[in-house]
Formats: sequence, C-alpha cells, structure tokens
Amino acid sequence: NAGVTQTPKFQVLKTGQSMTLQCAQDMNHNSMYWYRQDPGMGLRLIYYSASEGTTDKGEVPNGYNVSRLNKREFSLRLESAAPSQTSVYFCASSEAQRNQPQHFGDGTRLSIL
Amino acid sequence: GENVEQHPSTLSVQEGDSAVIKCTYSDSASNYFPWYKQELGKGPQLIIDIRSNVGEKKDQRIAVTLNKTAKHFSLHITETQPEDSAVYFCAANLDGGSQGNLIFGKGTKLSVKP
Repeated sequence: NAGVTQTPKFQVLKTGQSMTLQCAQDMNHNSMYWYRQDPGMGLRLIYYSASEGTTDKGEVPNGYNVSRLNKREFSLRLESAAPSQTSVYFCASSEAQRNQPQHFGDGTRLSIL
Repeated sequence: GENVEQHPSTLSVQEGDSAVIKCTYSDSASNYFPWYKQELGKGPQLIIDIRSNVGEKKDQRIAVTLNKTAKHFSLHITETQPEDSAVYFCAANLDGGSQGNLIFGKGTKLSVKP
C-alpha cells in the first residue's frame, strides 16, 4: 500500500523558474493538503482541498497555486520561484477535512538558488 | 487565530526513562489533537490522537492526556528506546466547528541515549 506518493523527492531551481510538485494518494481520501516545513517553524498549511473540485487557501498561500486534478491527485505549482520558497514540501490526505487523521508523504526537498 | 505552543524544543533522556512533551492551544473550539512522529528524511507519521470527549488515551508505551479547561495536552512516552529518537509534533484543529484544519506546534527533538 503506497499511501501518499510525492514526486520529485529533490529539486533545485533557479530564481524565476516554474515547477509543479505532484502528489497522489491511493486511500480514496476526500481531503488533501499541501504544507511547507522550515527549520524551527513546524508545518504550515499552504493550500487544501476539502473535496474533489474545491480548493482553498491556507496560512501561507502567496506564490503558489494548486490543482485538484481528480480524487487521487493534488498538485502544487510555483509559477516564479523565489529563494524564500526553499523548503521541504509535504502533501497529506485524510478521509474528511474535519477531525480526521492526516497521512503524509515523504516530502519534496526544494532548493531555489 | 489558533496558536499551538509546544515545549520543550529539545529533550534528551536515557533509555528506559520517560519523556513528556507538552502543548497548549488557544482556540477553545478545538476538539481534535493528534501527535506525529517524524524521522529524518521522512514525512510525519500519526502515532496517537485524542478527541475532546476523553481526557486520556493509551497505546502501549504512548499516552496522551488532555485538559480542556486549561487548554493543554501532553504526550507521554514510557520505557523509551533509541528508536523513539525523532521529532514529535502536536497539532490542534482550527475552529473545531466548521473548518477543522490542523495547526501544528514547532516540534520537539527527542534524543534517547542508549
């Protein structure tokens, strides 16, 4: 059982380049999330999708866009990468948005030079 | 908005001792409190969670206690082992009613010395 799969695992970009981070889950979950993790900052929510067809901003959405492609897949796009977006990005999913355990992927480590 | 504070930021214990990590939250509507363990190079993994209708929950060597009046909850690990070494995160749901997104503490790095 794969759970939540993120690709790529590592990426280096130059300032101004664009990139899409991919996430897929095989648990038939309704809700999906994108977080960033920075040293000493914990996990901060970027965007979430409570159900297929809906997306909403989280705590730190600036500079990002998302697409809920179908029930399984939720992608995160950086249109014009900036050094401040250097971080580890985690995708997560849960059966429903409220009061349900979230299951995380192993992350994408992104460096922007 | 909701704020979750976690203490301590680092914790070092001898193998076999107990470890306690504490979190406080600000939103009195919060009603779901999960704990995650993150090993190096991996994503966070849920280890235990508690809902506001109970005060304590145990799973083998791990227990969580919740004090709704004081708005704090704690993770207790007994008989610690070297494989318990990791970063632990607490979380609380934002606005226990309509939204439910999680707000995470900043993490506690636990080191268990053999």
